[in-house]
Amino acid sequence: GENVEQHPSTLSVQEGDSAVIKCTYSDSASNYFPWYKQELGKGPQLIIDIRSNVGEKKDQRIAVTLNKTAKHFSLHITETQPEDSAVYFCAARETSYDKVIFGPGTSLSVIP
Amino acid sequence: DAGVIQSPRHEVTEMGQEVTLRCKPISGHNSLFWYRQTMMRGLELLIYFNNNVPIDDSGMPEDRFSAKMPNASFSTLKIQPSEPRDSAVYFCASSPGTSGTWELFFGEGSRLTVL
Repeated sequence: GENVEQHPSTLSVQEGDSAVIKCTYSDSASNYFPWYKQELGKGPQLIIDIRSNVGEKKDQRIAVTLNKTAKHFSLHITETQPEDSAVYFCAARETSYDKVIFGPGTSLSVIP
Repeated sequence: DAGVIQSPRHEVTEMGQEVTLRCKPISGHNSLFWYRQTMMRGLELLIYFNNNVPIDDSGMPEDRFSAKMPNASFSTLKIQPSEPRDSAVYFCASSPGTSGTWELFFGEGSRLTVL
């Protein structure tokens, strides 16, 4: 089955700096790679996703890149703000069973 | 739209007791997922349903766990008997389940503490 790894586990940046979170996946057949943000006491919420036929996608301050050959994908947050502080999860969708497998998460702290 | 509704939000019980967690998915969504979140193991997929039918329960830890979806608007996750290692936050999520729409919509979770 699919296995998703994520680094770093914790990340601290100054407000206004950029943050980068990297993930790898194991199943070359996976075709959908979402990123979720979880705030304290709440369920994860989708912030951006990318499909296997696209190399990069941007939405305002957030961008995701995908390298299918290397089975890597990354989340980039520019001009970070204190409200970006949360736990971020990458994930990959197994095509065989329609399952979404999550990475272990990255706790991002943005220091004002 | 009310979103995914889970109950109870918090449950404290003693070892050996039965625990039932409940979930109401978003109306019209065809897929429903139960996840467990712990510090040690992160977000683990326990089971998921498509059109009320269990598709994959390979993540269910053991026979003490069972899940049902009697209709499109209700699902339960039951633990009997509960053990301290079952303490975690249990999330229910639903998804449209149609091709190309794979976003998961999570509830706010049920925090379970087994003493």
